[in-house]
Amino acid sequence: QGQLMQSGPEVKKPGASVTVSCKASGYTFNSYGISWVRQAPGQGLEWMGWVATYNGDTKYAQKVQGRVTMTTDTSTSTVYMEVRSLRSDDTAVYYCARNRVHGGPLDFWGQGTLVTVSS
Amino acid sequence: EIVMAQSPATLSVSPGEGATLSCRASQSIGSNLAWYQQKPGQPPTFLIYDASTRATGIPARFSGSGSGTDFTLTISSLQSEDFAVYYCQHYNKWPLTFGGGTKVEI
Repeated sequence: QGQLMQSGPEVKKPGASVTVSCKASGYTFNSYGISWVRQAPGQGLEWMGWVATYNGDTKYAQKVQGRVTMTTDTSTSTVYMEVRSLRSDDTAVYYCARNRVHGGPLDFWGQGTLVTVSS
Repeated sequence: EIVMAQSPATLSVSPGEGATLSCRASQSIGSNLAWYQQKPGQPPTFLIYDASTRATGIPARFSGSGSGTDFTLTISSLQSEDFAVYYCQHYNKWPLTFGGGTKVEI
């Protein structure tokens, strides 16, 4: 079974940007896409988008389209997600998760990265 | 986008009892549905995919059923470690969406 290791917690001011990383190990990195999912405090899960590690194609949720960019670095088996123009309602735990098949269910998850947006 | 609705929001059960959780899609998704379990402070765990196939290592007391728009997760004989929040998610097309979750509590 593989593993996804995410970068550490971040504290940002409104209007700033944040980049969260997700390093994969234990499986063939470019055979699976990666989704990003966030969870605001006390709330449910929100799918944000997906990146194809094999060619960099992306799909984004409409809510974050234009403020989020997901990229992949096959040389280090790492996926990145940048969120720009941060707002207080972006405060959440951000998870990366592997899609079992193209666009499919999420079969294992990173440990999560808390991003706090506060002035 | 496809909206996923879960019910009930909270389910109170006793250890050893069974639990039935519902998930409804706003349009047909075939069998392209997954279930996840989440405990406080932890990432979700993959339980069920293709509506009824258990993920690797998931105990047989978890079972999923349904197709089209109506789906069910059944937990027979709840163990203490099963008290958690459960989410359904479709993967029929982009964007993927989750239901709001059902909290299973004692």
